[in-house]
Amino acid sequence: AQKITQTQPGMFVQEKEAVTLDCTYDTSDPSYGLFWYKQPSSGEMIFLIYQGSYDQQNATEGRYSLNFQKARKSANLVISASQLGDSAMYFCAMREPFSGTYKYIFGTGTRLKVLA
Amino acid sequence: DGGITQSPKYLFRKEGQNVTLSCEQNLNHDAMYWYRQDPGQGLRLIYYSQIVNDFQKGDIAEGYSVSREKKESFPLTVTSAQKNPTAFYLCASSLETGGTNQPQHFGDGTRLSIL
Repeated sequence: AQKITQTQPGMFVQEKEAVTLDCTYDTSDPSYGLFWYKQPSSGEMIFLIYQGSYDQQNATEGRYSLNFQKARKSANLVISASQLGDSAMYFCAMREPFSGTYKYIFGTGTRLKVLA
Repeated sequence: DGGITQSPKYLFRKEGQNVTLSCEQNLNHDAMYWYRQDPGQGLRLIYYSQIVNDFQKGDIAEGYSVSREKKESFPLTVTSAQKNPTAFYLCASSLETGGTNQPQHFGDGTRLSIL
């Protein structure tokens, strides 16, 4: 069955340092997409970055990069040069288009706190 | 600007009352979704709809109902059968291209509480 696991309930990072948020997934479908979202305390969900299962290179979007290790089924989010505004909940999600359901599966999230 | 509008932002429900949460999108997306989020928790899927006049139950559909009469609209009714409705409700939409690369777009959410 499809599953997303985020094992870090909470993380702290010093401002201007890099931080890695872990995400592992389980799927038997060769085609899938992986997403990361940020949820500030205000509640809205902000899409950060996408990685496709057939992508040869790791995705990058500004200060966000995705460390994609397909054999290990991991898709860790790396935030470089952390800022105070990065403090939020972060969710990893997966989609399998050919499962017939078009659903997105979410992990339980990691709460990141950036320290000044 | 295109986006998803949820209303109201805050909603209070009395015992035995049904309440309806609104979700409207102008992104021309095919699929729409409703999620429930409890404090400090992840998102749980309530219902989703891939096309107009069709919808499927998610993981926690009991006590909820939806309709999809228009592509732009996907209202969620929290019925009196839902005994613990206090939560944050998020509506989302996505393109259905058959590929993996379409992210969901989310509204700003509705916070529902019991009076």
